[in-house]
Amino acid sequence: QKEVEQNSGPLSVPEGAIASLNCTYSDRGSQSFFWYRQYSGKSPELIMSIYSNGDKEDGRFTAQLNKASQYVSLLIRDSQPSDSATYLCAVNIWGKKGSTLGRLYFGRGTQLTVWP
Amino acid sequence: NAGVTQTPKFQVLKTGQSMTLQCAQDMNHNSMYWYRQDPGMGLRLIYYSASEGTTDKGEVPNGYNVSRLNKREFSLRLESAAPSQTSVYFCAEGAGREAFFGQGTRLTVV
Repeated sequence: QKEVEQNSGPLSVPEGAIASLNCTYSDRGSQSFFWYRQYSGKSPELIMSIYSNGDKEDGRFTAQLNKASQYVSLLIRDSQPSDSATYLCAVNIWGKKGSTLGRLYFGRGTQLTVWP
Repeated sequence: NAGVTQTPKFQVLKTGQSMTLQCAQDMNHNSMYWYRQDPGMGLRLIYYSASEGTTDKGEVPNGYNVSRLNKREFSLRLESAAPSQTSVYFCAEGAGREAFFGQGTRLTVV
């Protein structure tokens, strides 16, 4: 089992709808959580980071974190065709006790298509 | 200010050949990473370096070696390339939490 799991896609939503992307992680000690967007043939681009339980909003994007459930989600409101991409969840995994720096692990990604 | 620069962008190798992928960052950050990306597999961590002079294995280190030459540069070496190493390789850097990526190297081993 991977350290970071994402809900299998692909996900297809109409323009203007809310897209919901989910992610779970295995290490209870993780403190840092990220969402990346990757367009086909391009490199991943950081779009959201979240460190505390609750919601964090940035424009049309909302990241949600629940450390007790080891669950991170990304909501995209008013989805646009330009949001069509693969979304990657990333978690800073600390692993063994005494580690001073985490390793950044990624899920397999969820491909989102927003149709007009 | 280019962020992360990877060379080369494309490479074709024959099985058994060796090569080094170069990565340099100009953000003066401590952490650097090498990932590979294969269809349906997401990004898998090969090696990472928390600071100059230190390196550590990630999820898939077999068949690779790395060198953190200085704070700016982190290279990935394939000593004897195999077809299973055909992939897109990304170098990334960061301050210890998130990572910022280079444009990638598409490597094909035939």
